[in-house]
Amino acid sequence: GEDVEQSLFLSVREGDSSVINCTYTDSSSTYLYWYKQEPGAGLQLLTYIFSNMDMKQDQRLTVLLNKKDKHLSLRIADTQTGDSAIYFCAESMAPGGYQKVTFGIGTKLQVIP
Amino acid sequence: GAVVSQHPSWVICKSGTSVKIECRSLDFQATTMFWYRQFPKQSLMLMATSNEGSKATYEQGVEKDKFLINHASLTLSTLTVTSAHPEDSSFYICSARADTQYFGPGTRLTVL
Repeated sequence: GEDVEQSLFLSVREGDSSVINCTYTDSSSTYLYWYKQEPGAGLQLLTYIFSNMDMKQDQRLTVLLNKKDKHLSLRIADTQTGDSAIYFCAESMAPGGYQKVTFGIGTKLQVIP
Repeated sequence: GAVVSQHPSWVICKSGTSVKIECRSLDFQATTMFWYRQFPKQSLMLMATSNEGSKATYEQGVEKDKFLINHASLTLSTLTVTSAHPEDSSFYICSARADTQYFGPGTRLTVL
């Protein structure tokens, strides 16, 4: 079955770059997502990438995809204290929830002022 | 942007009672909504897919008689936890499908 794995915790200093890594097992995954969850809140879609792309950049966010190794990463440049949250990697075979979305366990990012 | 609300945001109830959680898409219509459950320090687990005007599709291991889902309109889906027990205490999150999934803020259920 599908499986998405992430490290549990990352601590960085304000202003540094953060890199959150994720691996997935389903080679048919077509859409790969990064969601942000702040304490006590729902999930906010940050960005997503199609499996035929290697990289996607959106302001401070850079997503890198190594499809061969089934490895996805999210880089946050100039990390701010407001970036402290849990980041979920997720995958699905179709966009918008037309297929089941499988989430990783989430990486808690702590930004130290 | 698309907004999904949930009500209540938190609820405490006694064991054996039933609790209803509402999920609304505020500025768009959603024929499909999803209900997730999140335990502390764990990921979201899909419980069921709610389709307007038809029966919900439950994931394996989710009791349909315990977690009743009603999707009576294009903007509202409800999840009723029947005869709640302490092990049902969790964070319940809904999402509504548009161009992507838009998530609600979640409902914290505590069963005493």
